[in-house]
Amino acid sequence: NAGVTQTPKFQVLKTGQSMTLQCAQDMNHNSMYWYRQDPGMGLRLIYYSASEGTTDKGEVPNGYNVSRLNKREFSLRLESAAPSQTSVYFCASSELRVQRGTGELFFGEGSRLTVL
Amino acid sequence: EDQVTQSPEALRLQEGESSSLNCSYTVSGLRGLFWYRQDPGKGPEFLFTLYSAGEEKEKERLKATLTKKESFLHITAPKPEDSATYLCAVQARGSGNTGKLIFGQGTTLQVKP
Repeated sequence: NAGVTQTPKFQVLKTGQSMTLQCAQDMNHNSMYWYRQDPGMGLRLIYYSASEGTTDKGEVPNGYNVSRLNKREFSLRLESAAPSQTSVYFCASSELRVQRGTGELFFGEGSRLTVL
Repeated sequence: EDQVTQSPEALRLQEGESSSLNCSYTVSGLRGLFWYRQDPGKGPEFLFTLYSAGEEKEKERLKATLTKKESFLHITAPKPEDSATYLCAVQARGSGNTGKLIFGQGTTLQVKP
C-alpha cells in the first residue's frame, strides 16, 4: 500500500518562480489536506478539501492555491515563490466519519522546498 | 482561540527510564485529541485518538490519557527506537466535519542506550 504519495520530495526555487506540489492517496479517503511544518511553529494548515469538489482555506493560505483534481489527487501551487515559503510541506488524507468528526490523518513523507 | 501546547520541548531519557509528555489544550469543545509520532525526515504517523475525559489507550510501551484540559503520553521503559518527535493535535467542534486539526509544536524524545 502506497498510502499518501507526494512529489517532488525536494525542490529549490528562486524567488518569483512558480511550482506545483502533487499529492495522491490510494485509500479512498474523502478529505485531503496540505500542511506546512516550520521549526518552532508546528504543523499549520494551508488548505483542505473536505470532499471532492470542495476546497477551503486553512490557517495560512496566503500565497498558495489548491486544486482537488479528483477524489485521489490534491495539488498545491505556489504562483510566485517567496523565501518565507521555505518549509516542509505535508499532504494528508482522512476518512470522514460524521459522528466522530473525522478519522485520523494519514500523512505523506513530505516535500522539502527551499526558496532562494 | 483554539490552542495546543506541548511540554517539554525536548526530553532525554536513559533506556528503561519511564516518563510522561504533556499536551495542554484550550478549544471550544473537543471533538477529538490525536497523538502522532514523527521520525526525522518522515511524515507524522498516527498513534492514538482520544474522545472524552477519562479515556485511555495503550500501544506497546505507550499509554495516552485524557482529561478536560490536557493529555499525557506515558512512556514505560523506553527503548532507543522510541526516539522521535511526538505531536499532539486537537479537533474542535467548531471545525464541523472538515477534519481540521490544530497541532502543538511537539516534544522531541531521545532515549539513550
